[in-house]
Parts: sequence; structure tokens; C-alpha cells
Amino acid sequence: ETGVTQTPRHLVMGMTNKKSLKCEQHLGHNAMYWYKQSAKKPLELMFVYSLEERVENNSVPSRFSPECPNSSHLFLHLHTLQPEDSALYLCASSQSQGKGETQYFGPGTRLLVL
Amino acid sequence: EDQVTQSPEALRLQEGESSSLNCSYTVSGLRGLFWYRQDPGKGPEFLFTLYSAGEEKEKERLKATLTKKESFLHITAPKPEDSATYLCAVNSGNTPLVFGKGTRLSVIA
Repeated sequence: ETGVTQTPRHLVMGMTNKKSLKCEQHLGHNAMYWYKQSAKKPLELMFVYSLEERVENNSVPSRFSPECPNSSHLFLHLHTLQPEDSALYLCASSQSQGKGETQYFGPGTRLLVL
Repeated sequence: EDQVTQSPEALRLQEGESSSLNCSYTVSGLRGLFWYRQDPGKGPEFLFTLYSAGEEKEKERLKATLTKKESFLHITAPKPEDSATYLCAVNSGNTPLVFGKGTRLSVIA
């Protein structure tokens, strides 16, 4: 499946590092999302971008900083993370934001913060 | 606040033993209910979207149904390759998508 790609697939970082996650969608969609998936918890919506504008920010700590330069690319910049931020980070896209649109997910980035 | 509850948390079936997974939801104005399959270490794979009570959709051994309060994912004669976590999510006027915790299905040969 190559509709939504994410890099890197695995990332190990120290608490003082700065890194970025990248997502690219090849589906011609106008909305993109970042989710966090931790063990034993439901997927948590972090950020929503529609037509390159951020439309939702679910009280995410400022150590996570999203960027959407165009409708096909989405980044999540990480700095001074905590061990509890270790999780699977998933990117998704949909034709438009809300209104029953199906979201398609990428394979995720498995992040480990030491 | 929109809520999604999935049951059971885990289900173990013998190959060929049909069963159903449940997704109960509370939303203000349902715009869509979604089923996804997720394999370990991978992103969720889209299965079905249901929009209104009474709607049904099928794909191979899977059939999804929807009422005003819940959705069922029926698995007929499952095979070991159907083993995965099945996620239910709802879209309402309040939020793009709210997920349940999932049902972890194991099918034993």
C-alpha cells in the first residue's frame, strides 16, 4: 500500500534531541492528520490540517510541532520529548475534513524516547 | 462528548467458528461509522464505512451492520489470516474521528 507513506518507520531519540517525522499522501486528498497510538489506549487525534491550514489541535504539548507545507506533505517536529511520548505515530489523509469522509492511514513511525 | 466502546477486548476463535464484534457509540449527529483492521506494528487498514441505521456492507468473510446505537462486525468461517485488531471509529459534527480501543481477534487453525 503506497497511498500514504511515512518516514522513518522506526526512530530512537534521546530527550534532548530534535527530530522530524514525515508523511506524504499520493491520493489527492485535502485533509491530513497526526495520531498517537499507545498500548492499551485508543488512537488519539493530535492535529488536523485542511487545505494546509491547521483546524484542530487537541491540547498537544508544545514539544510536538506540526507543519503542512502543501496538501501532500505533513511533518511532525519533535523536541525535548519525554519517555511517555514513546508510541506509534500515525499519519492519515482524507478527501476533506469531517462530514463522514474515510481516512486512510500510513504505516506509522514507531518512536522510542530514551 | 462522543464515545466509542468495543467489545470484547479480545476474542479467540477456532478456524471456521463464526462470531461477531460489537461497537457501541454515543455521538451527537452521526456522519459515519468506520471499521479498520490493524496488524501489529502497522497502520490501520480501511474496511467499511456505514452512514445510516440499517445499512450493511460485506467484504469476503466480513459483514458490517449498523443500528442507531451500535455496529457489529460479523466474521463468517474465519481463517488464521483474519487474526488482527479490529478498530471502530465514528465521525460526528464535533470531531473528525473518535476511535474505540479495538478488539484483538485470534483465529486458531
